[in-house]
Amino acid sequence: KNEVEQSPQNLTAQEGEFITINCSYSVGISALHWLQQHPGGGIVSLFMLSSGKKKHGRLIATINIQEKHSSLHITASHPRDSAVYICAVPESYNTDKLIFGTGTRLQVFP
Amino acid sequence: EAQVTQNPRYLITVTGKKLTVTCSQNMNHEYMSWYRQDPGLGLRQIYYSMNVEVTDKGDVPEGYKVSRKEKRNFPLILESPSPNQTSLYFCASSLSWYQPQHFGDGTRLSIL
Repeated sequence: KNEVEQSPQNLTAQEGEFITINCSYSVGISALHWLQQHPGGGIVSLFMLSSGKKKHGRLIATINIQEKHSSLHITASHPRDSAVYICAVPESYNTDKLIFGTGTRLQVFP
Repeated sequence: EAQVTQNPRYLITVTGKKLTVTCSQNMNHEYMSWYRQDPGLGLRQIYYSMNVEVTDKGDVPEGYKVSRKEKRNFPLILESPSPNQTSLYFCASSLSWYQPQHFGDGTRLSIL
C-alpha cells in the first residue's frame, strides 16, 4: 500500500518568494494529483500529472516517476496563495483508490 | 455552471439516527467519490464509484454506505452514526480518477 509524505508541513514566505512543496510516495503509480484547500475550506484540483512537468500561471508541478517524487513550485508567491496544498496518489499502480498526503500549510505575508 | 452540490452543508445530530448526505454533479462525470477530512489525518477516501451501479471501498469505509443508481447522484448514508464519524465530508467527481476532480463545498457533520 502506498505511503505519501509531504514536506514541509508548514511554510511561511514573504510575497515574491519562490516556493517549493515536496511529495514522496513509496509505490509506483501512474498519476498524481495536487490539490489546493483554501482557508475557507474549499478544495480545488490544481494538477494531475503522470510524467514531466505541467504549468498553470505561476504554478508548476513536476514528477519523477523513477524517484517516486513530485514537487509543486509557486513562482512570485502572493498572499492569495496562502492555502493548504495536498498531494494524492493511487494506493497502488492498478487501483482507483486514492491516498492523500497530510498537506503543506503555506502562509505568504505581504 | 459546472458544479458538485452537497446537502446539507452543516448537520448536528445524535448517535444512531440514520442520515443521508446527498451529492449531485451536472458534468456527466463517471467517477464520483466521498472523502472525510479530520485534523491531523488529512483527507481519506470513504467510497468511490467508477460508474452507475459500480462502487468500491476506499480507505475508511466502515460505518458508511453508498449507492450509485444514477450517474449524477452519489449519496452517502450513515445508517447508525457514531461520534467518531464527526468530520468534514467532501464529495468529488471527475471523468475518471486520473482526471482533475471537482469538489463540493463540504458537509460538516457533528454527531453527539
